[in-house]
Amino acid sequence: SQQGEEDPQALSIQEGENATMNCSYKTSINNLQWYRQNSGRGLVHLILIRSNEREKHSGRLRVTLDTSKKSSSLLITASRAADTASYFCATGDNDYKLSFGAGTTVTVRA
Amino acid sequence: DTAVSQTPKYLVTQMGNDKSIKCEQNLGHDTMYWYKQDSKKFLKIMFSYNNKELIINETVPNRFSPKSPDKAHLNLHINSLELGDSAVYFCASSQQGMGGYTFGSGTRLTVV
Repeated sequence: SQQGEEDPQALSIQEGENATMNCSYKTSINNLQWYRQNSGRGLVHLILIRSNEREKHSGRLRVTLDTSKKSSSLLITASRAADTASYFCATGDNDYKLSFGAGTTVTVRA
Repeated sequence: DTAVSQTPKYLVTQMGNDKSIKCEQNLGHDTMYWYKQDSKKFLKIMFSYNNKELIINETVPNRFSPKSPDKAHLNLHINSLELGDSAVYFCASSQQGMGGYTFGSGTRLTVV
């Protein structure tokens, strides 16, 4: 069954604005990862946060993890048209399987 | 150089046929995966292999048979294709303990 669930399902913002999306999951995890998928393409790994970490940054991306609430958030600052994509959270509870949510579709308007 | 390459990119076939999708990674990763993405973009793991050994078979019908001749290759053979098999199939690889997956660009399978 699906482990992570993203919220909102879709997000439309103006270029330059920030985009925030959330992920909730059900069982204990080893790590949580975020991926981007452009239309018709494969998934690209963005960032991994381990269960003992609370926050991580990578360029314009900021990820938080709250294991007590079983939730994570991805913030994209100063969005660009190229950020238009679907964003997925994925949880790793063992070394050989990532469970993905249904994704948040982000549209950045010029 | 493409890190994870899968072929073909598109596959249109009739119900009942048998087809194969090939995947190769040049990253030196020890684990490879097949994922299925449905029309609602939901991704579900099908198989994972570590150093050519099957680790996860996620209740996939027996019509799907993965084969890993070496740790750089993981192919997927599908027998007796059904309409419900239509989806995008993604191959991915990772190095255990090191972090994220690297995905191929996908194979869009359409069964008519």
